[in-house]
Amino acid sequence: EIVLTQSPVTLSLSPGERATLSCRASQSISSYLGWYQQKPGQAPRLLIYDASNRATGIPARFSGSGSGTDFTLTISSLEPEDFAVYYCQHRSNWPPFTFGPGTKVEVK
Amino acid sequence: QLQLQESGPGLVKPSETLSLTCTVSGGSISTSPYYWGWIRQPPGKGLEWIGSVYYSGSTYYNPSLKSRVTISADRSKNQFSLNLSSVTAADTAVYYCTKRAPAGWFDPWGQGTLVTVSS
Repeated sequence: EIVLTQSPVTLSLSPGERATLSCRASQSISSYLGWYQQKPGQAPRLLIYDASNRATGIPARFSGSGSGTDFTLTISSLEPEDFAVYYCQHRSNWPPFTFGPGTKVEVK
Repeated sequence: QLQLQESGPGLVKPSETLSLTCTVSGGSISTSPYYWGWIRQPPGKGLEWIGSVYYSGSTYYNPSLKSRVTISADRSKNQFSLNLSSVTAADTAVYYCTKRAPAGWFDPWGQGTLVTVSS
C-alpha cells in the first residue's frame, strides 16, 4: 500500500500570502497525484489531478507540481475562502486508493 | 449537473450491518466507463477509500475492509449501495458516495451522511 505523508500539519498564513503544501509518497507514483480541498461540514472537492492539472472551475491561483515521490500544491495568493484542509490522493497501484492525512491552512 | 445523495440510518448497533444508498441524478450510473463508490471520514480524521462498483458491475474493495464490504448497483433506480457488516465503534464516520473516472479521481461527491455505531 502506498503511504502519503503531508507537511506541514498546519499552515498559519494571512490572506494574500502564498501557501506551499507538500505531499510525499512512500514509493514513486509518477504524476498520479491529486489534491482536494475540504471546508468544515462539506465534502472534499477535487482541485488538481495528475499532479498539475486544474479541475474544472478551479481558479488559476491553485497550481500543482511534482512527480515521483514529491509533490507540491501552491496557492499563489490566499483568498478568504481558501482557508480549509487540503488532502493529497494517489491513483497508482490500486486498490487501495489512499489519501494523505491533510494540511490545515488557517488564518494567522 | 451530476448530483449524488446518500441516505440511510444514522445510528447502527455494534455487530450489525451498516447499509447506505446513494441516489444519482443528472446522469446514469450505467454510463461507461465510470466507477461509483464510497469513501468515509471518521470525525476529525482523514479520508479512507472503501470501494467502488464499475458501470459493468465489477467491484473493487479496500483490502482492509474487503471481508466486510459489499457494494452493489441498481440500474433501474440509478442507485448504488454500501453494506458494511459486523460494525464496531471504529466504523463511526461520515460516509460519502462519489463518482470516479477511470483516471482515478473522485468527482463529484455527495454531501455525506454521518453514521454512528453505538448501542
